Amino acid sequence: GAVVSQHPSRVICKSGTSVKIECRSLDFQATTMFWYRQFPKQSLMLMATSNEGSKATYEQGVEKDKFLINHASLTLSTLTVTSAHPEDSSFYICSARPTGGPGYTFGSGTRLTVV
Amino acid sequence: GNSVTQMEGPVTLSEEAFLTINCTYTATGYPSLFWYVQYPGEGLQLLLKATKADDKGSNKGFEATYRKETTSFHLEKGSVQVSDSAVYFCALSETNQAGTALIFGKGTTLSVSS
Repeated sequence: GAVVSQHPSRVICKSGTSVKIECRSLDFQATTMFWYRQFPKQSLMLMATSNEGSKATYEQGVEKDKFLINHASLTLSTLTVTSAHPEDSSFYICSARPTGGPGYTFGSGTRLTVV
Repeated sequence: GNSVTQMEGPVTLSEEAFLTINCTYTATGYPSLFWYVQYPGEGLQLLLKATKADDKGSNKGFEATYRKETTSFHLEKGSVQVSDSAVYFCALSETNQAGTALIFGKGTTLSVSS
C-alpha cells in the first residue's frame, strides 16, 4: 500500500539553528503533501499544503519564512524550521493522498525539541 | 468554514465495555469522513472511513455511520480491549481530490483498563 516515510523521527537542536524534515512517498507520486503540527495532547493543525513545482500554500498564522517548504520532486517534500526556538518544539507530521487510494497516508512524525 | 467537533476526553473504560465517541461536523458540501487512531508515540493510522451519507465504515470491531441528517459520524465499539487505548481523531475531507487537506477534530483519549 501507499507509504509515506518521514525522517528524522526525533531531533534535538539548539536554539537559533535550522532543522530539515523530509517526507517521501515511497510507492506513489504525490503532487501534493500536507504538513501538520501537533502540540502535546492536542489535535493536528494544518500548517501548509506543499505543491510539487510551485510555492506552498500556508494556513493563516503560519510564518512562511520560518517554516520553509520545498517540494522539488513528485516523491519528496521538505519542511525546514529556520532559526528554531523552544516554542517551535512540537510533533510535525506529513501526509499525502495517493490518487485512487483508500485515503490519506501519514508519515510517522518528527518530534522536534529545541533547547 | 469546515470543522469537526469531538467529545472531550479522556474516556476511561473497563475492558469489554461499550465505547461511543461522538463526532459532529460542519461542511459546505458532502465531505468524506474519517476516524484515525494514534497509539502512544506513533503516527496516525486510518481506522475507518465513509464517503457518502448512510455509509458505514468498519474495522477491527469499530464502526461509524455517516449521518447526513445529524451531521454526525460517531465511533462505536461493542467491547473494548486494553490494546484499544489510544487517541482517536475524527476528520473530514471536503472533496475527494488529492489536493484537499484533512480537517481534524481535537482528538479523544481512550484509556482501557483490565
